[in-house]
This record gives sequence, structure tokens and C-alpha cells, in this order.
Amino acid sequence: AQRVTQVQSTGSSQWGEVTLDCSYETSEYSYLILWYRQLFSGEMVFLIYQPSFDTQNQRSGHYSVVFQKSFKSISLVISASQPEDSGTYFCALSELGGGNNKLTFGQGTVLSVIP
Amino acid sequence: EAAVTQSPRNKVAVTGGKVTLSCNQTNNHNNMYWYRQDTGHGLRLIHYSYGAGSTEKGDIPDGYKASRPSQENFSLILELATPSQTSVYFCASGDWYEQYFGPGTRLTVL
Repeated sequence: AQRVTQVQSTGSSQWGEVTLDCSYETSEYSYLILWYRQLFSGEMVFLIYQPSFDTQNQRSGHYSVVFQKSFKSISLVISASQPEDSGTYFCALSELGGGNNKLTFGQGTVLSVIP
Repeated sequence: EAAVTQSPRNKVAVTGGKVTLSCNQTNNHNNMYWYRQDTGHGLRLIHYSYGAGSTEKGDIPDGYKASRPSQENFSLILELATPSQTSVYFCASGDWYEQYFGPGTRLTVL
């Protein structure tokens, strides 16, 4: 069974680098790990994804990931964080075998970036 | 621009009443999903669909039905609403690497 675990909350100072950790359980060989940010309005915003079959860590804007496949662990790295980066960040697992691409979410990490 | 809309945005229902939450997508995605979000649980999958006419049970389907009458529309139905179904409900449509979420519906069952 799939399972995703995240740290509950963390904080950072403006311009600092933030690392949000996620661990997961899956028996599938092919899967994706996706990161979403939930704004205070409730809107879910897609940030970045990492395929299990890609050894290269993905980057998108000021987001990047550190993928440790053998440990079933992935971190989202936010460079030069700003107060507007505050919010809740979700890690989600998508197993590719079934074709339905349904997501299993972690509990989310609340990030507070202090000016 | 990908677009998923939900209606209503807010709903107050009585215990035992029937509630229908609607979702529309203009992305032409085959797959659509219903999740609920509760504090401390992240988002959990209730039902999903591969296309018009299909519905599948997700991880927490009890007490919910779903209907996919067309490519664009996917509904979540609570035949007999209970207070434990008070939550925020999100609809999403997606392809293999991303899901686009609607704005959410806040449902309160009294």
C-alpha cells in the first residue's frame, strides 16, 4: 500500500534556503512524486514532479528536488525564500502502473517565511 | 489555461439530506478525481473516473457515490449526509504527470 509522510511544520528567514522533506512507501517500480502548494485561499498550485525513472533531480524556477530513490525519500528545496512562499506544501505519490494516476498525499508541511 | 470549476463553493446541509457536488473541466482530460481535505490528513481520494460513464472507488468511498455523465462533468453525491462528511472537497482533472484542482467546496453537515 502506498503511504506518504511529511514533517508537520517548519520556518525560515527571508532569502534563506528551505528544505521540505517527504518520505513514501510504494511497491511500484514506476511512479511520480509531485509537489503542490496550497495557498491561504485553499487553491492547490502544482510546483514540480520527479519521475522515479529519472535519475536527475528536477528543477522548476526557484524550486528543485533532491531525490533519494533508494531511501524512498524526496526533498523540495526552495531557494531564496520569500514571505509569499509561506503556505502549506504537499508531497504526493502517483503510481503509474494502473493508468489512473490517482494521488496519495502526505499530511502537508506548513511553511512560515519570516521577513 | 487549464480550468476546473466546482459548484457550489459553500454548502450547508442537514443530516440525512442529499447533497450533490458538481465539477466541470475544460481540459479534455479523461481522468477526473474527487478528494476531501481534513485537518491533519492532507487530501484523500474518494472516487475517480477514467472517462464518461466510468466511476471507480478511491481510498475512502463509503457514504459517497459518483457520476460521470460526460467528459466535462463529474459529480459527487452524498445520498444521506452525515456530520462526519463535513469537509472541504476538491475535484481535479489530470493527465499522467499533473492534476489540475478546482477551488474546493466547503460542505458543512449539521
